Amino acid sequence: AQSVTQLGSHVSVSEGALVLLRCNYSSSVPPYLFWYVQYPNQGLQLLLKYTSAATLVKGINGFEAEFKKSETSFHLTKPSAHMRDAAEYFCAVSKPDLSGTYKYIFGTGTRLKVLA
Amino acid sequence: NAGVTQTPKFQVLKTGQSMTLQCAQDMNHEYMSWYRQDPGMGLRLIHYSVGAGITDQGEVPNGYNVSRSTTEDFPLRLLSAAPSQTSVYFCASSLLPGRGYEQYFGPGTRLTVT
Repeated sequence: AQSVTQLGSHVSVSEGALVLLRCNYSSSVPPYLFWYVQYPNQGLQLLLKYTSAATLVKGINGFEAEFKKSETSFHLTKPSAHMRDAAEYFCAVSKPDLSGTYKYIFGTGTRLKVLA
Repeated sequence: NAGVTQTPKFQVLKTGQSMTLQCAQDMNHEYMSWYRQDPGMGLRLIHYSVGAGITDQGEVPNGYNVSRSTTEDFPLRLLSAAPSQTSVYFCASSLLPGRGYEQYFGPGTRLTVT
């Protein structure tokens, strides 16, 4: 099974509308979870992360994500989309492999388009 | 504090040529890694290192070599370039990932192999 699954490779929303980007993970131990954003022709930068403290995590630029263990989900939301939010978003997990070595595993990304 | 730097930004190679992609970080991070990004496939781990002198293979290591002689530098070598290695390459660094530390990414190297 994939460690990280992002549903929807492309998502379009109108400016001012709710943004919801979905991420589900698989892990036999409590994972660390991350959302990164990539603007065109740039590297990835951290939006927010979950490290087993509060289940609702607030990040930069008005984004937040909620860790739901029962649903193995870590969906990213923003109440009101701005044009500047157009980018590609990656969900990632840090978890141990069979040898116990922690590694980062990335989802395949969701490209967010914001319509005027 | 420059963070993670990568050179070059762009490179065109002919099939069979070799080259080294440079990566350096100034945050004293133990963990460094190389990814390739291809459309629809996210980021795939090529090689990683948990400290100077220690490297290991990731998901797609074939055709690539790495070394880690210092904490700061983690070069990626393409031994004999192939068109399948056309991609965008990212270097990243972090403290050891077992405690939820995030990775810091370089700006990327866009490589085309003809």
